[in-house]
Amino acid sequence: KNEVEQSPQNLTAQEGEFITINCSYSVGISALHWLQQHPGGGIVSLFMLSSGKKKHGRLIATINIQEKHSSLHITASHPRDSAVYICAVEEGLYGGSQGNLIFGKGTKLSVKP
Amino acid sequence: EPEVTQTPSHQVTQMGQEVILRCVPISNHLYFYWYRQILGQKVEFLVSFYNNEISEKSEIFDDQFSVERPDGSNFTLKIRSTKLEDSAMYFCASFRGETGYTFGSGTRLTVV
Repeated sequence: KNEVEQSPQNLTAQEGEFITINCSYSVGISALHWLQQHPGGGIVSLFMLSSGKKKHGRLIATINIQEKHSSLHITASHPRDSAVYICAVEEGLYGGSQGNLIFGKGTKLSVKP
Repeated sequence: EPEVTQTPSHQVTQMGQEVILRCVPISNHLYFYWYRQILGQKVEFLVSFYNNEISEKSEIFDDQFSVERPDGSNFTLKIRSTKLEDSAMYFCASFRGETGYTFGSGTRLTVV
């Protein structure tokens, strides 16, 4: 079974700082997802990655399949980025069917003005 | 933007009672899921549903749990006889390859 580890568990940054959150997993995957969870509890999908790099606004996600590692970067951080960021991996089922997600514990980010 | 809708947002129930959590997934999605998150813990997979049947379920999803998609739009999770440890946030999600996962805003279940 895949183990998903995130670091750091908690992160406090000043507005404008560049932020990096790391994720590593133990077994080969079909895709990796970065998700954002706000204090109210709702979960929003940010990225789905199977290789390389994706960018959306100030968010950048990268994955290294050989090293079983992914990073989420936030450039020019803002207080509204404060949330829990969750890495989740998808192992996939035989035959290419859609597998379920295995979640990390999340990184709680707080950006101070 | 299409949404996954969950109702109710919060449910309080007595131990031993049956609860039904409801979800309306995105209509052109093919895969549907229930996940739960006990307070302070990570999100855990419960069950996936494809082509009108369960495709995978976790060890958590025992005989007390069942899922249905009765009318082609609603997707329900039933807990037959709730226990205190069933208290959690329950998330419904649907998936389509091009767009990935879309999660509902969750139902907070409190068993007293």
